Amino acid sequence: DQQVKQNSPSLSVQEGRISILNCDYTNSMFDYFLWYKKYPAEGPTFLISISSIKDKNEDGRFTVFLNKSAKHLSLHIVPSQPGDSAVYFCAASATYGNTGKLIFGQGTTLQVKP
Amino acid sequence: GAVVSQHPSWVICKSGTSVKIECRSLDFQATTMFWYRQFPKQSLMLMATSNEGSKATYEQGVEKDKFLINHASLTLSTLTVTSAHPEDSSFYICSAFYRGDQPQHFGDGTRLSIL
Repeated sequence: DQQVKQNSPSLSVQEGRISILNCDYTNSMFDYFLWYKKYPAEGPTFLISISSIKDKNEDGRFTVFLNKSAKHLSLHIVPSQPGDSAVYFCAASATYGNTGKLIFGQGTTLQVKP
Repeated sequence: GAVVSQHPSWVICKSGTSVKIECRSLDFQATTMFWYRQFPKQSLMLMATSNEGSKATYEQGVEKDKFLINHASLTLSTLTVTSAHPEDSSFYICSAFYRGDQPQHFGDGTRLSIL
């Protein structure tokens, strides 16, 4: 049972345009969501997170939107840059119990073309 | 930002060898560390949760006698792949965690190749 899903395995955008990466989840106990960026043969790098008490969090070119009723979150990157090309994973956690356990989606490979 | 160091970054060894991977949180005390495995072009699969001073909790299907975890201090966890075989070849990644509303921070991973 895939509790966190990224249905688009890949996305290609032109430099300067907006990149939108999507993520859906099924477990209503999740209340903390994160996006990580990963290059091959490296560990994931934390990008941005959002708590379920918010519907939007912004950090520079990165904005995460959360729609709790739809159990959907998205990551917007604007403007996209070639250096943003990587695999992006969304992850979810239920902070109750403070176990820190994350459930990851399958990842979306973003390619930003110059 | 928080830094997690993982060592070694790459190991090649013969079948039957035991391999130890270290994960250190360099600038914070991690209440919990996690060990993941990633197959090519797939997501991160959680193997086990490591808490300082207690036994690790393994995910379903992960052999605890094959993957030994020791969490000696709040800044160090080790994963030992015992009697490794070619099917154990993979990319292993650790992460360190402080509390529920803070992100996990990951090491750079260890590429393990068993010949």
